[in-house]
Amino acid sequence: DAGVTQSPTHLIKTRGQQVTLRCSPKSGHDTVSWYQQALGQGPQFIFQYYEEEERQRGNFPDRFSGHQFPNYSSELNVNALLLGDSALYLCASSPGQGNQPQHFGDGTRLSIL
Amino acid sequence: DQQVKQNSPSLSVQEGRISILNCDYTNSMFDYFLWYKKYPAEGPTFLISISSIKDKNEDGRFTVFLNKSAKHLSLHIVPSQPGDSAVYFCAATLNTGNQFYFGTGTSLTVIP
Repeated sequence: DAGVTQSPTHLIKTRGQQVTLRCSPKSGHDTVSWYQQALGQGPQFIFQYYEEEERQRGNFPDRFSGHQFPNYSSELNVNALLLGDSALYLCASSPGQGNQPQHFGDGTRLSIL
Repeated sequence: DQQVKQNSPSLSVQEGRISILNCDYTNSMFDYFLWYKKYPAEGPTFLISISSIKDKNEDGRFTVFLNKSAKHLSLHIVPSQPGDSAVYFCAATLNTGNQFYFGTGTSLTVIP
C-alpha cells in the first residue's frame, strides 16, 4: 500500500522562475493539503484540495496556486520565485472530511538561487 | 501569529526513562490535536491524536494528555528508546479538520 509520494525530491531554481511540484495521495485518500516548512520551523499550511476544488487556503500570496485531478493527485505551482520560497514543500493526504490524521510524503526540497 | 507553541527546542533523555514533550496553544476553538515524529530527510509521521472531548489517549509506549483549561498538550514516551530520537511536532486543528497548525518542533535525543 503506497503512501503519499512526491516528485521531484530536490529542485533548484532561480529567482523569477516558476515551479510545479507533484503529489500522489495515499490509496483511499481524496483530500490533499500542501505545507511549506522553512528551516527550523514547523510546517505552514498553504491550501487544501477536495473534489478538485480549493477548500481552504492559508496565508500565502496568489503566486502559490494548485490543482487537483480526478484521480486525487495534486500539483502545487509557484510563480515568480523569491529567495524566501526556499523550503521543504510537504504534501499530505487524508480521507474525506472531519478530524482525521493527515499523512505526509517525504517532501520536495526547493532551493532558489 | 504562532497559535501552537513548543517552547523547548531540544530534549535529551536516557534510554529506558520517560520522555515528556510539551506543547501550548492559544486558540480555544481547536478541538483535535496530534503528535508527529520526523526523521531527517523524511516527512512527518503520525504518532497519536486526541479529541478535545478526552483528556488522555494511550497507544503502546505513547500517551498524549490534554489540559484544555491550561491550553496545554503533552506527549509521554515510556520507556524511551534510541529509535525515538527525532523531531516531534504537535499540531492542532479546528472541527473542520482542514488546516493543521504546527508547533516549531522539539528535537528528542535518547541516549543509550
